[in-house]
Amino acid sequence: DADVTQTPRNRITKTGKRIMLECSQTKGHDRMYWYRQDPGLGLRLIYYSFDVKDINKGEISDGYSVSRQAQAKFSLSLESAIPNQTALYFCATSLNSPSTDTQYFGPGTRLTVL
Amino acid sequence: QKEVEQDPGPLSVPEGAIVSLNCTYSNSAFQYFMWYRQYSRKGPELLMYTYSSGNKEDGRFTAQVDKSSKYISLFIRDSQPSDSATYLCAMSHGGAGGTSYGKLTFGQGTILTVHP
Repeated sequence: DADVTQTPRNRITKTGKRIMLECSQTKGHDRMYWYRQDPGLGLRLIYYSFDVKDINKGEISDGYSVSRQAQAKFSLSLESAIPNQTALYFCATSLNSPSTDTQYFGPGTRLTVL
Repeated sequence: QKEVEQDPGPLSVPEGAIVSLNCTYSNSAFQYFMWYRQYSRKGPELLMYTYSSGNKEDGRFTAQVDKSSKYISLFIRDSQPSDSATYLCAMSHGGAGGTSYGKLTFGQGTILTVHP
């Protein structure tokens, strides 16, 4: 089984709808991250969490919110989806260590907002 | 100016060629440097991880870091069609504390195709 799973894998929705993307991990990592990937822009950090009680905004958090339900679960919500949120979304995890920032990625969710 | 710049390509080479992928960066606080490989419709996976200037070799892959020039490279020897993917450089400040702790900054990714 995959260490980092994301659901759904693909989603098409309409402008104004509320959408939740879910991420679960079995790696036992404390840190979890949400990124979006757009062609030519690489990966951009939306939100990150270093433990269940710690939530931080990334570089592009506007229009998004997150919930860390447990060490293993981190959800991303789009309260009112808009077309420019069409992108590939990735969840990632890492150890809580100052000497390495290696992150492990899920398979991604392809979101289309019409 | 972006903190990390990477030529997006695309790059197309014949099988067996030596491939050179590069990133430049502007923030001298970056200490850890990574290369991720991303196959189509998959998440990125860590390929190489280096700390400080110098070379690190792993099979056909060599990662090179030149902190004085703020330049990192990934070399692929004897490239194979299975190497066709997007390659992303990433870097971090490392260390404990501070607002940048634990965060990676990615380049835009280079699309590589190795044709038989």
